[in-house]
Amino acid sequence: DTEVTQTPKHLVMGMTNKKSLKCEQHMGHRAMYWYKQKAKKPPELMFVYSYEKLSINESVPSRFSPECPNSSLLNLHLHALQPEDSALYLCASSQVEGRGNEQFFGPGTRLTVL
Amino acid sequence: GQSLEQPSEVTAVEGAIVQINCTYQTSGFYGLSWYQQHDGGAPTFLSYNALDGLEETGRFSSFLSRSDSYGYLLLQELQMKDSASYFCAVRDSGATNKLIFGTGTLLAVQP
Repeated sequence: DTEVTQTPKHLVMGMTNKKSLKCEQHMGHRAMYWYKQKAKKPPELMFVYSYEKLSINESVPSRFSPECPNSSLLNLHLHALQPEDSALYLCASSQVEGRGNEQFFGPGTRLTVL
Repeated sequence: GQSLEQPSEVTAVEGAIVQINCTYQTSGFYGLSWYQQHDGGAPTFLSYNALDGLEETGRFSSFLSRSDSYGYLLLQELQMKDSASYFCAVRDSGATNKLIFGTGTLLAVQP
């Protein structure tokens, strides 16, 4: 299984809502990532988990809260988002010390904040 | 800081060969990768060069010159399905698992 799955595919939420994005992989990867991508821009790293511990937080606002319940799952909890947070949210996984820079990406969650 | 520059758009016809360039500035270097992303899809790993020279994988090849801080992705026998965005990427010198992506090149293949 070389797939990273993400749910939901699409999400529309108001600025006062609380929602969660979910990501799962069964490749045995111990590094997992959240990226944010705006249209026509490269993916922008938000968080990295290594061995289920948060290793990188790219100064992301606290309205985004990551969680790694186990080595296969990664969540991103959303609260009090702003319209400018509307974007494609990508999850990825990789070996911690892997070949080159090979990361496996999920299909993303298209988030719209009203 | 670290930065990777790519042309924003490239257009080519089916069956042709196209080269997508990437120039980078990094404080340390651990190899150059390439990713493909179709519109609305996930980025997909294409290739990785740690050493100078050409790496070939089917219709796609990737080249690296560390002395010039330069690499390129070469796509041969272009097909319509190759229309996508292509990103080069390097590993951050201070963090093993952090990728820095290039600005991205949108390739349009025309019939």
